[in-house]
Order: sequence, then structure tokens, then C-alpha cells
Amino acid sequence: KQEVTQIPAALSVPEGENLVLNCSFTDSAIYNLQWFRQDPGKGLTSLLLIQSSQREQTSGRLNASLDKSSGRSTLYIAASQPGDSATYLCAADNAGNMLTFGGGTRLMVKP
Amino acid sequence: ETGVTQSPTHLIKTRGQQVTLRCSSQSGHNTVSWYQQALGQGPQFIFQYYREEENGRGNFPPRFSGLQFPNYSSELNVNALELDDSALYLCASSFRTSGEETQYFGPGTRLLVL
Repeated sequence: KQEVTQIPAALSVPEGENLVLNCSFTDSAIYNLQWFRQDPGKGLTSLLLIQSSQREQTSGRLNASLDKSSGRSTLYIAASQPGDSATYLCAADNAGNMLTFGGGTRLMVKP
Repeated sequence: ETGVTQSPTHLIKTRGQQVTLRCSSQSGHNTVSWYQQALGQGPQFIFQYYREEENGRGNFPPRFSGLQFPNYSSELNVNALELDDSALYLCASSFRTSGEETQYFGPGTRLLVL
């Protein structure tokens, strides 16, 4: 059974800092690893999807890496902004879009 | 906006009642998944429907059931509501080809069971 853990659970940083969010998973037989953003009381917005054959994906200030052998993924956010404040969720896909989510990292970027 | 809509946005029920939540998928998507997200936690997979058939199920009891219609809209039904069913219910749609496609999530229905 896949288990996904995210560290830290919460993070507060000043504007402009570069930061790294961590995600670990127990079953490396994944189709892909996905990162989502969730604003308070809202649904999920897909940020990055890394296929199992890939090592990383980039979108703007976001870069996500995947190391299947160690069961780890990281989301790197460059030059953080107050608008980045949200909960970030990673999810492992072992069975065709049936995702196992971590508990999330709640990020606060202070002006 | 993802093109996925859910109704209602909020709902209050009492323990033992039944509830139906609805999801309208993004146009052209033939797969819908439902998730339950308790406060402060990540979403948990309930089940998935592909072309009107249940295609996979998470660790949820049979009182959680669903339907997918020919137009690919979907319903989640929960019978005999319990206090722990209070959560945000999310649906997500995708177009199944290889099974690795991005899912598009709706805004969710927040259910409170008293």
C-alpha cells in the first residue's frame, strides 16, 4: 500500500527566499508523481506532473524532481512571493489516476 | 478555472441521512475520480469511474457509491451518514488514454454532518 509523506507540514518564509518542499513515497512502482496547489477552501490546481521515466519538470519559478530509487520528490520554488502562499500537495499515481496524496505543506510567504 | 463543476458548494446533513453530490466533468473527459479531504489532511481516493463503470476503489465502505452518466457527469452517494463523513469532497476528471493524464479538479462540495 502506497504511503506519501510531506515535510515540513508548515513553512513560513520572507518574500524572495528560495525554498524546497519535500515528498517521500514508499512504493516506487509509480506511473507519475504530481504536485498540486490548494488555496483555502478551494479545489486543487495541478502544478507539475513528472512521469516515472523523467527526473524533473519545470514550470516558471517551479521545479520538481523525482528520484524513484529513493522514493523522494522535491518541489523547488524560486524567489517566493506572497501569492505563493497556499497548501502544496504531492501525489503518487500507482494505478492510472488513482492518486495517493501526502498531508500537504502549508506555505506562508510574508511580504 | 478547470471546467469541472460541483454542486452543491456546501451541505449540512444529520447523522443517518443520505446525500448525493454531483460533478460535471470537463468536456470530452471520460474518467472521473472522487476524493474525500478531511480538514487539515490530504485528499483520499474514494473511487474512479471510466465509461460508466467503476474502475477502482479506495478503502471506503459500500455505503459510498457512485454513478457516471453517458454525458460523463457523475454522482457520489453516501448512505447512513456518520460524523466522520464531514469533509470536502472533490471530483477530478481526465481523458483516459494511457492512464497518466493530468486530472482537473473541481472546487469541491463541503459536507458537514451533525
